[in-house]
Amino acid sequence: GESVGLHLPTLSVQEGDNSIINCAYSNSASDYFIWYKQESGKGPQFIIDIRSNMDKRQGQRVTVLLNKTVKHLSLQIAATQPGDSAVYFCAEKAGYSTLTFGKGTMLLVSP
Amino acid sequence: GAVVSQHPSWVICKSGTSVKIECRSLDFQATTMFWYRQFPKQSLMLMATSNEGSKATYEQGVEKDKFLINHASLTLSTLTVTSAHPEDSSFYICSETGTSEETQYFGPGTRLLVL
Repeated sequence: GESVGLHLPTLSVQEGDNSIINCAYSNSASDYFIWYKQESGKGPQFIIDIRSNMDKRQGQRVTVLLNKTVKHLSLQIAATQPGDSAVYFCAEKAGYSTLTFGKGTMLLVSP
Repeated sequence: GAVVSQHPSWVICKSGTSVKIECRSLDFQATTMFWYRQFPKQSLMLMATSNEGSKATYEQGVEKDKFLINHASLTLSTLTVTSAHPEDSSFYICSETGTSEETQYFGPGTRLLVL
């Protein structure tokens, strides 16, 4: 059920700054990772994905880094804009298993 | 990617009534769709995997008799919350994998409020 008083980790940045959102995962067998952006009241939106045979992948203004040694995933957003304000979730998948979502990080971008 | 729609976008109902939520794949014939529930400021929790033409696979702790899933066609899966109670109030989101069979693409979600 609902947890009263639960707070999402929050990252506050200024418009134009670069943002780095981190995610730790626990399953060493995970071989596929996705970052999603979720705006208030909407469904998650796919941003970028990466497979375990890579350690870096770039998209438009976004870069995902994967460090399998320490089971760490990060999302870098360049020149962050107010429209980037949202909750960001990492998700992992091992083989044919279902996606497992992280707890989420709220990104707040101030003009 | 894939385009997924949900209907309704929000619904308010009285305790004890049943509510049906539709999830449609608009550009892909989805043999598998997923249903998630999300409480405020929490992550997505997978409820069940919906398989076209067969029974859904429910996650541990999700009551299959309370959350009825029907995937009668390749483009439509429905979730019916039976005898809804206030604790069922949540944001329900469906997803499908499109052609990738890995990446999941999500619908816009349905906000359910049970009074």
